[in-house]
Amino acid sequence: AQSVTQPDIHITVSEGASLELRCNYSYGATPYLFWYVQSPGQGLQLLLKYFSGDTLVQGIKGFEAEFKRSQSSFNLRKPSVHWSDAAEYFCAVGGYSSASKIIFGSGTRLSIRP
Amino acid sequence: DGGITQSPKYLFRKEGQNVTLSCEQNLNHDAMYWYRQDPGQGLRLIYYSQIVNDFQKGDIAEGYSVSREKKESFPLTVTSAQKNPTAFYLCASIDSGQGASDQPQHFGDGTRLSIL
Repeated sequence: AQSVTQPDIHITVSEGASLELRCNYSYGATPYLFWYVQSPGQGLQLLLKYFSGDTLVQGIKGFEAEFKRSQSSFNLRKPSVHWSDAAEYFCAVGGYSSASKIIFGSGTRLSIRP
Repeated sequence: DGGITQSPKYLFRKEGQNVTLSCEQNLNHDAMYWYRQDPGQGLRLIYYSQIVNDFQKGDIAEGYSVSREKKESFPLTVTSAQKNPTAFYLCASIDSGQGASDQPQHFGDGTRLSIL
Protein backbone atom coordinates (compact mmCIF):
# COMPACT_ATOMS: atom_id res chain seq x y z
CA ALA A 1 0.00 0.00 0.00
CA GLN A 2 1.11 3.53 -0.68
CA SER A 3 1.84 5.58 2.40
CA VAL A 4 3.82 8.49 3.72
CA THR A 5 5.12 8.66 7.28
CA GLN A 6 6.28 11.78 9.05
CA PRO A 7 7.44 10.42 12.40
CA ASP A 8 7.79 13.79 14.15
CA ILE A 9 4.49 15.44 15.07
CA HIS A 10 6.08 18.56 16.54
CA ILE A 11 9.64 19.89 16.45
CA THR A 12 11.05 22.98 18.17
CA VAL A 13 14.38 24.47 17.09
CA SER A 14 16.17 27.67 17.98
CA GLU A 15 16.32 30.47 15.47
CA GLY A 16 19.51 30.14 13.45
CA ALA A 17 19.84 26.42 14.12
CA SER A 18 19.74 23.77 11.43
CA LEU A 19 16.60 21.80 10.68
CA GLU A 20 15.82 18.34 9.37
CA LEU A 21 12.26 17.06 8.97
CA ARG A 22 11.90 13.37 8.29
CA CYS A 23 9.75 11.71 5.66
CA ASN A 24 9.55 8.01 4.78
CA TYR A 25 7.39 6.63 2.03
CA SER A 26 6.11 3.30 0.79
CA TYR A 27 5.43 3.17 -2.92
CA GLY A 28 5.47 0.38 -5.48
CA ALA A 29 6.95 2.33 -8.36
CA THR A 30 9.24 5.28 -8.87
CA PRO A 31 7.78 7.98 -6.66
CA TYR A 32 7.29 11.63 -7.30
CA LEU A 33 7.94 13.40 -3.99
CA PHE A 34 6.89 16.78 -2.69
CA TRP A 35 7.26 18.97 0.38
CA TYR A 36 4.58 21.55 1.15
CA VAL A 37 4.36 24.21 3.87
CA GLN A 38 1.16 25.46 5.49
CA SER A 39 0.78 28.58 7.62
CA PRO A 40 -2.17 28.66 10.07
CA GLY A 41 -5.52 29.03 8.32
CA GLN A 42 -3.94 28.96 4.88
CA GLY A 43 -3.59 26.54 2.01
CA LEU A 44 -0.47 24.57 1.16
CA GLN A 45 2.48 26.06 -0.69
CA LEU A 46 4.94 23.90 -2.61
CA LEU A 47 8.50 24.07 -1.25
CA LEU A 48 10.18 21.61 -3.61
CA LYS A 49 9.65 18.47 -5.65
CA TYR A 50 11.65 15.46 -6.83
CA PHE A 51 10.88 13.58 -10.02
CA SER A 52 14.19 12.21 -11.26
CA GLY A 53 17.85 13.07 -11.69
CA ASP A 54 19.91 14.70 -8.95
CA THR A 55 18.77 13.31 -5.63
CA LEU A 56 19.44 16.60 -3.82
CA VAL A 57 16.80 19.13 -4.78
CA GLN A 58 16.68 22.79 -3.94
CA GLY A 59 13.48 24.61 -3.14
CA ILE A 60 12.19 27.99 -2.17
CA LYS A 61 12.97 29.80 1.09
CA GLY A 62 16.37 28.12 1.41
CA PHE A 63 15.02 24.58 1.84
CA GLU A 64 16.49 21.46 0.28
CA ALA A 65 15.62 17.77 0.36
CA GLU A 66 17.51 14.58 -0.41
CA PHE A 67 15.95 11.52 -1.98
CA LYS A 68 17.45 8.27 -0.67
CA ARG A 69 15.94 5.31 -2.48
CA SER A 70 17.68 2.72 -0.29
CA GLN A 71 16.10 4.25 2.82
CA SER A 72 12.77 5.24 1.19
CA SER A 73 13.29 8.69 2.60
CA PHE A 74 12.93 12.26 1.44
CA ASN A 75 14.06 14.42 4.37
CA LEU A 76 13.71 18.20 4.29
CA ARG A 77 16.60 20.36 5.52
CA LYS A 78 17.47 23.96 6.10
CA PRO A 79 20.87 25.11 7.38
CA SER A 80 19.57 28.06 9.43
CA VAL A 81 15.92 28.57 10.34
CA HIS A 82 14.17 31.89 10.68
CA TRP A 83 11.22 32.72 12.93
CA SER A 84 9.06 32.97 9.78
CA ASP A 85 9.66 29.26 9.10
CA ALA A 86 7.27 28.33 11.92
CA ALA A 87 4.49 26.41 10.15
CA GLU A 88 3.27 22.91 9.40
CA TYR A 89 5.18 20.88 6.84
CA PHE A 90 3.74 18.08 4.74
CA CYS A 91 5.53 15.44 2.73
CA ALA A 92 3.60 13.92 -0.19
CA VAL A 93 4.11 11.16 -2.74
CA GLY A 94 2.54 10.53 -6.12
CA GLY A 95 3.19 8.49 -9.20
CA TYR A 96 2.20 8.39 -12.84
CA SER A 97 0.08 5.29 -12.41
CA SER A 98 -1.88 6.52 -9.44
CA ALA A 99 -4.65 8.27 -11.39
CA SER A 100 -3.57 11.71 -10.27
CA LYS A 101 -3.88 10.90 -6.56
CA ILE A 102 -1.28 12.27 -4.22
CA ILE A 103 -0.83 10.88 -0.71
CA PHE A 104 0.05 13.24 2.11
CA GLY A 105 1.81 12.57 5.37
CA SER A 106 0.21 13.67 8.62
CA GLY A 107 2.46 16.70 8.90
CA THR A 108 5.16 18.04 11.22
CA ARG A 109 4.54 21.25 13.12
CA LEU A 110 7.66 23.39 13.41
CA SER A 111 8.05 25.90 16.24
CA ILE A 112 10.96 28.33 16.44
CA ARG A 113 12.53 29.23 19.77
CA PRO A 114 13.72 32.88 19.88
CA ASP B 1 -2.70 36.59 -11.01
CA GLY B 2 -3.93 33.04 -11.51
CA GLY B 3 -4.99 30.99 -8.55
CA ILE B 4 -7.64 29.09 -6.67
CA THR B 5 -10.39 30.90 -4.78
CA GLN B 6 -12.32 29.16 -2.04
CA SER B 7 -15.37 30.72 -0.44
CA PRO B 8 -16.54 31.35 2.12
CA LYS B 9 -13.54 31.36 4.45
CA TYR B 10 -15.75 30.39 7.42
CA LEU B 11 -19.03 28.48 7.25
CA PHE B 12 -21.46 27.26 9.87
CA ARG B 13 -23.87 24.39 9.43
CA LYS B 14 -27.02 23.62 11.34
CA GLU B 15 -28.17 20.09 12.06
CA GLY B 16 -29.79 18.46 9.02
CA GLN B 17 -28.60 21.16 6.66
CA ASN B 18 -26.65 20.77 3.44
CA VAL B 19 -23.97 23.35 2.76
CA THR B 20 -21.92 24.00 -0.38
CA LEU B 21 -18.30 25.10 -0.47
CA SER B 22 -17.14 26.95 -3.54
CA CYS B 23 -13.86 26.37 -5.40
CA GLU B 24 -12.97 28.35 -8.51
CA GLN B 25 -9.69 28.31 -10.43
CA ASN B 26 -8.44 30.48 -13.27
CA LEU B 27 -5.32 28.42 -13.93
CA ASN B 28 -6.93 26.45 -16.77
CA HIS B 29 -6.11 23.26 -14.88
CA ASP B 30 -7.76 20.01 -15.85
CA ALA B 31 -7.80 18.18 -12.52
CA MET B 32 -9.33 19.43 -9.27
CA TYR B 33 -9.44 17.94 -5.79
CA TRP B 34 -11.16 18.32 -2.45
CA TYR B 35 -9.36 17.44 0.78
CA ARG B 36 -10.45 17.41 4.37
CA GLN B 37 -7.91 18.36 7.02
CA ASP B 38 -8.30 17.44 10.67
CA PRO B 39 -5.71 18.20 13.36
CA GLY B 40 -2.89 15.65 13.36
CA GLN B 41 -4.32 13.72 10.40
CA GLY B 42 -2.89 15.51 7.41
CA LEU B 43 -5.01 15.74 4.26
CA ARG B 44 -7.55 13.14 3.26
CA LEU B 45 -8.96 13.03 -0.26
CA ILE B 46 -12.74 13.43 -0.55
CA TYR B 47 -13.35 13.66 -4.31
CA TYR B 48 -11.36 14.47 -7.40
CA SER B 49 -12.13 15.29 -11.01
CA GLN B 50 -9.76 14.90 -13.93
CA ILE B 51 -12.04 16.38 -16.58
CA VAL B 52 -15.33 18.24 -16.87
CA ASN B 53 -18.45 16.16 -16.16
CA ASP B 54 -16.41 13.40 -14.53
CA PHE B 55 -15.34 12.83 -10.94
CA GLN B 56 -14.24 9.98 -8.68
CA LYS B 57 -14.58 9.23 -5.00
CA GLY B 58 -11.56 9.61 -2.83
CA ASP B 59 -10.87 7.92 0.48
CA ILE B 60 -13.63 9.59 2.53
CA ALA B 61 -16.44 10.44 0.08
CA GLU B 62 -19.36 9.35 2.27
CA GLY B 63 -21.60 12.29 3.20
CA TYR B 64 -20.18 14.51 0.46
CA SER B 65 -21.13 15.25 -3.15
CA VAL B 66 -19.52 17.22 -5.97
CA SER B 67 -20.20 18.42 -9.49
CA ARG B 68 -17.91 19.48 -12.34
CA GLU B 69 -20.04 21.28 -14.89
CA LYS B 70 -17.33 23.79 -15.79
CA LYS B 71 -13.57 23.39 -15.97
CA GLU B 72 -12.95 26.25 -13.56
CA SER B 73 -15.45 25.22 -10.87
CA PHE B 74 -15.62 22.24 -8.51
CA PRO B 75 -18.13 22.85 -5.68
CA LEU B 76 -18.35 20.50 -2.71
CA THR B 77 -21.62 19.86 -0.89
CA VAL B 78 -21.44 18.62 2.67
CA THR B 79 -24.71 16.79 3.18
CA SER B 80 -26.63 16.09 6.36
CA ALA B 81 -25.38 12.50 6.08
CA GLN B 82 -21.89 13.70 7.07
CA LYS B 83 -22.20 13.44 10.84
CA ASN B 84 -18.87 15.00 11.71
CA PRO B 85 -18.33 17.80 9.21
CA THR B 86 -16.26 20.13 11.40
CA ALA B 87 -12.92 20.44 9.61
CA PHE B 88 -10.79 22.58 7.34
CA TYR B 89 -11.54 21.92 3.67
CA LEU B 90 -8.94 22.50 0.96
CA CYS B 91 -9.43 22.61 -2.78
CA ALA B 92 -6.52 21.97 -5.13
CA SER B 93 -5.85 21.72 -8.84
CA ILE B 94 -3.20 20.29 -11.18
CA ASP B 95 -2.35 21.00 -14.79
CA SER B 96 -2.47 17.27 -15.26
CA GLY B 97 -2.51 16.91 -19.03
CA GLN B 98 -2.69 13.16 -19.50
CA GLY B 99 -3.37 12.65 -15.81
CA ALA B 100 0.19 12.44 -14.61
CA SER B 101 0.57 13.07 -10.92
CA ASP B 102 4.08 14.42 -11.25
CA GLN B 103 2.79 17.96 -11.23
CA PRO B 104 2.52 19.76 -7.89
CA GLN B 105 -0.91 20.69 -6.69
CA HIS B 106 -1.94 24.31 -6.30
CA PHE B 107 -4.08 24.95 -3.23
CA GLY B 108 -6.73 27.44 -2.25
CA ASP B 109 -6.73 29.07 1.19
CA GLY B 110 -9.39 26.75 2.57
CA THR B 111 -12.82 26.91 4.16
CA ARG B 112 -13.32 26.21 7.84
CA LEU B 113 -16.66 24.50 8.47
CA SER B 114 -18.19 24.31 11.93
CA ILE B 115 -21.39 22.94 13.41
CA LEU B 116 -23.81 25.35 15.06
